[in-house]
Amino acid sequence: EVQLLESGGGLVRPGGSLRLSCATSGFTLSAYAMSWFRQAPGKGLEWVSFISNTGGGRHYADSVKGRFTISRDNSKHTVYLQMNSLTAEDTAEYYCAKDRVARGVLTTASFDYWGQGALVTVSA
Amino acid sequence: DIQVTQSPSSLSASVGDRVTITCRASQKINIYLNWYQQKPGKAPNLLIFATSGLQSGVPSRFSGSGSGTDFTLTISSLQPEDFATYYCQQSYSIPPTFGQGTRLELK
Repeated sequence: EVQLLESGGGLVRPGGSLRLSCATSGFTLSAYAMSWFRQAPGKGLEWVSFISNTGGGRHYADSVKGRFTISRDNSKHTVYLQMNSLTAEDTAEYYCAKDRVARGVLTTASFDYWGQGALVTVSA
Repeated sequence: DIQVTQSPSSLSASVGDRVTITCRASQKINIYLNWYQQKPGKAPNLLIFATSGLQSGVPSRFSGSGSGTDFTLTISSLQPEDFATYYCQQSYSIPPTFGQGTRLELK
């Protein structure tokens, strides 16, 4: 059974940092690209970042570029999102999600498994 | 960025109804349009990929169609568990973008 489990969320002050983790099981992580999404309270879905199955390809939303870094450790079956210089606008539920297709690219991607989410609250 | 506009933003319907949700992209996106269902407090669930591909495990009452800029999600006969929010998402270009969502409510 495919499972994704986010951790690392919490309350952080503006300007602070957090690192989210997405622990995976039930599939061969090294074969699949992964993405992070977020959803502000009461709002819609927003794509945040993508990492290819090898880690060689990464993409970011303009809203987080230069502040967030996506990475992965396939040996630990885990994907990470390092978030720096956080602002109130980053407050959201953060989800990691698996690409439906092995060795997929972001263009044409769809996301078939999602974690339960990690809440990040940025507030003084 | 490609803008994706869903309509309606909310919809009231009854069990057994046929429901259609539309999604319009600001430019042609080939077939690269996906649909997700999200229930309160839960993660999104992939229903349809690449316009009309039915994701494994999704009931056949869900179907998708369209091409170019205009796409449709149809639920042929609403079931109680289908009342949720639905999002379309284009994956033709980076960044992937979502529609604003359609909230499907029980009439």
